Amino acid sequence: EPEVTQTPSHQVTQMGQEVILRCVPISNHLYFYWYRQILGQKVEFLVSFYNNEISEKSEIFDDQFSVERPDGSNFTLKIRSTKLEDSAMYFCASSRDINQPQHFGDGTRLSIL
Amino acid sequence: GEDVEQSLFLSVREGDSSVINCTYTDSSSTYLYWYKQEPGAGLQLLTYIFSNMDMKQDQRLTVLLNKKDKHLSLRIADTQTGDSAIYFCAEINNAGNMLTFGGGTRLMVKP
Repeated sequence: EPEVTQTPSHQVTQMGQEVILRCVPISNHLYFYWYRQILGQKVEFLVSFYNNEISEKSEIFDDQFSVERPDGSNFTLKIRSTKLEDSAMYFCASSRDINQPQHFGDGTRLSIL
Repeated sequence: GEDVEQSLFLSVREGDSSVINCTYTDSSSTYLYWYKQEPGAGLQLLTYIFSNMDMKQDQRLTVLLNKKDKHLSLRIADTQTGDSAIYFCAEINNAGNMLTFGGGTRLMVKP
């Protein structure tokens, strides 16, 4: 069964550095998403992306965050200048269409030192 | 804003039924979802229900939806030790592009 893949599984970065988290969505899916889960807290929505544009974003998704689909298969989340509070598990998801079930990757654990 | 609440913990014996409950606030949600998370793994879609349905059955899983009370439940029949995991319910927003998750219910199945 097709799945969403995320790399790396664990990323350790110094505070203030830029980090790029990578995702390969399911190939015939058109909508892409990023969520995060800070340890002990709920899974929180960050952003949704369709047709090379952001379609929805949360208050968390401020100017230090950006998303990109650099080619036909990858979907990336960039955090420009990381803070300690960015430490979390970041999940990528994709869906075939709006309102269709979102399928999640295994996540990237981001640790900011 | 939308809010989804779940109890934190449920413990059952192997072979019993498990019922995990969830309440949500957005009455305009068209779909409600159940995801399962095993240790170190991502969120696995288990099942979902359209808001105009009361019940959906999928093998050992039964989803009940009470739209009036905004209450969703997941029943797992004949619970096995492999069902031990965290279960998240989630609602979709009106635009269909954002999930709001509950805090997750940790299910422990004792042999």
